[in-house]
Amino acid sequence: DAGVIQSPRHEVTEMGQEVTLRCKPISGHNSLFWYRQTMMRGLELLIYFNNNVPIDDSGMPEDRFSAKMPNASFSTLKIQPSEPRDSAVYFCASSSRERGGGANVLTFGAGSRLTVL
Amino acid sequence: AQSVTQPDIHITVSEGASLELRCNYSYGATPYLFWYVQSPGQGLQLLLKYFSGDTLVQGIKGFEAEFKRSQSSFNLRKPSVHWSDAAEYFCAVGHTQGGSEKLVFGKGTKLTVNP
Repeated sequence: DAGVIQSPRHEVTEMGQEVTLRCKPISGHNSLFWYRQTMMRGLELLIYFNNNVPIDDSGMPEDRFSAKMPNASFSTLKIQPSEPRDSAVYFCASSSRERGGGANVLTFGAGSRLTVL
Repeated sequence: AQSVTQPDIHITVSEGASLELRCNYSYGATPYLFWYVQSPGQGLQLLLKYFSGDTLVQGIKGFEAEFKRSQSSFNLRKPSVHWSDAAEYFCAVGHTQGGSEKLVFGKGTKLTVNP
């Protein structure tokens, strides 16, 4: 199992440019999460999908951010236009519910480090 | 609102010493609790979890944690720290809200291990 795969690992762009981050979840996982990590705010949940359907996007900072999950094996997080304050590490995580219930157990990707100049 | 507090931003211990990382949570019902570890430049890896039952849970890499409802705590422990344990540790509480499930993370505790 290759785990959760994110690309690119590093992205440097200029303010105003469009940024697209990609995620391939673990095969068979039916939930996918996008998190953002910064020194000031820690780990913040941006959006959560269940069976490819967005369930909760209340953490998306503003309309410049959008996320899609066209199929069970791929998701994107897009920022347009990007701003310096969007600089952060963006993590994708996937999960499936364990037998017997309980909360989702997340497996994280290695993250995409975004720098907006 | 649910929250997680990790009071210690940075802890330094000597290799071979014991370790305890503190975590306090705020949640109205029985929580799902997690500890994750993050090595530099890496994603988060699950160390252990508590859903129900025995309040002392064992995890990977020799870590354990104890759920204490009366203290709203879920502290992480290891009897003898190895240099490879140097990393950042995150406590998290999971809950269901409006049909979705979220993990709320603490701000993390960075562990330095001295030789």
